[in-house]
Amino acid sequence: EVQVVESGGGLVQPGGSLRLSCAASGFSFSAYAMSWVRQAPGKGLEWVSTISGGGGTIYYADSVKGRFTFSRDNSKNTVHLQMSSLRAEDTALYYCAKDWNGYNDWWGQGTLVIVSS
Amino acid sequence: EVVLTQSPVTLSLSPGEGATLSCRASQTIGSYLAWYQHKPGQAPRLLIYDASSRAAGTPARFSGSGSGTDFTLTISSLEPEDFAVYYCQQRNNWPRTFGQGTKVEIK
Repeated sequence: EVQVVESGGGLVQPGGSLRLSCAASGFSFSAYAMSWVRQAPGKGLEWVSTISGGGGTIYYADSVKGRFTFSRDNSKNTVHLQMSSLRAEDTALYYCAKDWNGYNDWWGQGTLVIVSS
Repeated sequence: EVVLTQSPVTLSLSPGEGATLSCRASQTIGSYLAWYQHKPGQAPRLLIYDASSRAAGTPARFSGSGSGTDFTLTISSLEPEDFAVYYCQQRNNWPRTFGQGTKVEIK
């Protein structure tokens, strides 16, 4: 069974950093791209970033480009989202999701990031 | 960036009724559109991909149609578990984008 489990969320001050992790199992991890999608309180879904199966191609939303870094460790079936220069508007539930043909077919339960002083 | 506009924002219906949700793209995206169902406290669920193909486990009462810029998700007869927020998402262009969502609520 496919499982995707996020961790690393928490409360951080504006300008601070946080590293999210996502552990996946139940599929051939390196064969699939992975994505982060977030949902701010009371808002809809917002795509954040996608990394290819090999890790060589990464796309970012303009809202996080230059501040967030997406990486993966295929030996550990894990992806990471390093977030820096965090802003109040980055406050959201961050979902990790498996990609399939450009869509997201398996999602985790999310990890909550709160940026506040 | 492809902007997806969903309508209506809220749909108030009773179990057993049919639902029609719309998603309009700001530029043509072929058939590269998906629909997701999202319930509070749960992970989003892929329902429809490539505009009209049902994902594994999606009940037959859900159907998708459209191409180019206009897309529709139809629920033939609402079950109690179908009341949720529905999002469309395009994969034709980077950045990927989602619509703002349509909430299907119990009338």
